[in-house]
Amino acid sequence: DVKVTQSSRYLVKRTGEKVFLECVQDMDHENMFWYRQDPGLGLRLIYFSYDVKMKEKGDIPEGYSVSREKKERFSLILESASTNQTSMYLCASSHGYEQYFGPGTRLTVT
Amino acid sequence: DQQVKQNSPSLSVQEGRISILNCDYTNSMFDYFLWYKKYPAEGPTFLISISSIKDKNEDGRFTVFLNKSAKHLSLHIVPSQPGDSAVYFCAASEFSGGSNYKLTFGKGTLLTVNP
Repeated sequence: DVKVTQSSRYLVKRTGEKVFLECVQDMDHENMFWYRQDPGLGLRLIYFSYDVKMKEKGDIPEGYSVSREKKERFSLILESASTNQTSMYLCASSHGYEQYFGPGTRLTVT
Repeated sequence: DQQVKQNSPSLSVQEGRISILNCDYTNSMFDYFLWYKKYPAEGPTFLISISSIKDKNEDGRFTVFLNKSAKHLSLHIVPSQPGDSAVYFCAASEFSGGSNYKLTFGKGTLLTVNP
């Protein structure tokens, strides 16, 4: 079974803090993705990566950056957290069309 | 502009009856479609998919229908069970070459199956 793990299930940070969300997959997938899910807005793609050190902007990249130094690990960075970044963050990986998701990180910025 | 639309935010059905979840898309270049199911506080899990060269795919109680001319797909769950209560996301992909398999998701439909 594919396993995608995220470093934290729940996180509370203060406005202006730098926040790191880590994601690890164990299936040697080339593609990795970061989404946020908000009520009424569905899943929105923040960034994705199709290879080590490669990254591409998704639909809502503003305020975020990413890092992929190893194939299995994809990190999402909030450079200076703001209250409008309070959300559920979901990481996914894939080899083809089907994406496998982690359990999500509920981030609250106060 | 929303390329994948799920126009019903919620749907309520009785246990044992059919649930029909609908999805419309605008991008004629989409060539693969997927349905995901999501419980609260969990990540989405893959349910069923269909290629654009097919019009139907079945997996147990779940069937997906694709009408390319109408740019419409639907997920049928028969019979519905209380454990099916979840948010269902429709997703579509346009192959862009290489390994670029980006998905575009709809906003989701909350299905409630009443005992």
